Amino acid sequence: DAGVTQSPTHLIKTRGQQVTLRCSPKSGHDTVSWYQQALGQGPQFIFQYYEEEERQRGNFPDRFSGHQFPNYSSELNVNALLLGDSALYLCASSQLAGTDTQYFGPGTRLTVL
Amino acid sequence: GENVEQHPSTLSVQEGDSAVIKCTYSDSASNYFPWYKQELGKRPQLIIDIRSNVGEKKDQRIAVTLNKTAKHFSLHITETQPEDSAVYFCAARPHTGGFKTIFGAGTRLFVKA
Repeated sequence: DAGVTQSPTHLIKTRGQQVTLRCSPKSGHDTVSWYQQALGQGPQFIFQYYEEEERQRGNFPDRFSGHQFPNYSSELNVNALLLGDSALYLCASSQLAGTDTQYFGPGTRLTVL
Repeated sequence: GENVEQHPSTLSVQEGDSAVIKCTYSDSASNYFPWYKQELGKRPQLIIDIRSNVGEKKDQRIAVTLNKTAKHFSLHITETQPEDSAVYFCAARPHTGGFKTIFGAGTRLFVKA
């Protein structure tokens, strides 16, 4: 039974570029949440997807957008990258529409130069 | 707004001693409180969680207590071992309008052999 997977592992971009990160949830999970973890800080909630819709959003600008597919996998898109977007991006999945325990993927380390 | 404060930021103990990490949350309607352990370069791993209808939960050397009146919850690790060294995050799930999880800033625990 595969756990939560994310791709790519590492990514280097320059300011102004766009990036897409991908997440496959744990088998049986229907909800995907995305978090940004800056160095030395706790994860910050970006948004959550359930039934292919964004259900709740944290304090992140519209440059951050996402999508959930019918197979429950998800993408996080960030436009017009800023240096401050450099962070570890974590995906977490859960079942029962997000009311149950969530499990994290290994993350994607994004560096913006 | 919703907030979780975590103390201390760094904790150093001798092997075999106990370690206690404390958190407070702002949203009194929060109903789920997970604790995660994150080793360097790895994903956060759930180590224990507690729901608002329970005051205490224990799993081997790890225990969590919850005081809903004071909006406090704590992690207790007994008989610490060097492999317990990691960053620990507390989190709370506000019950207002969704299922996002708010994380504390983390406690770096060092267990000296």
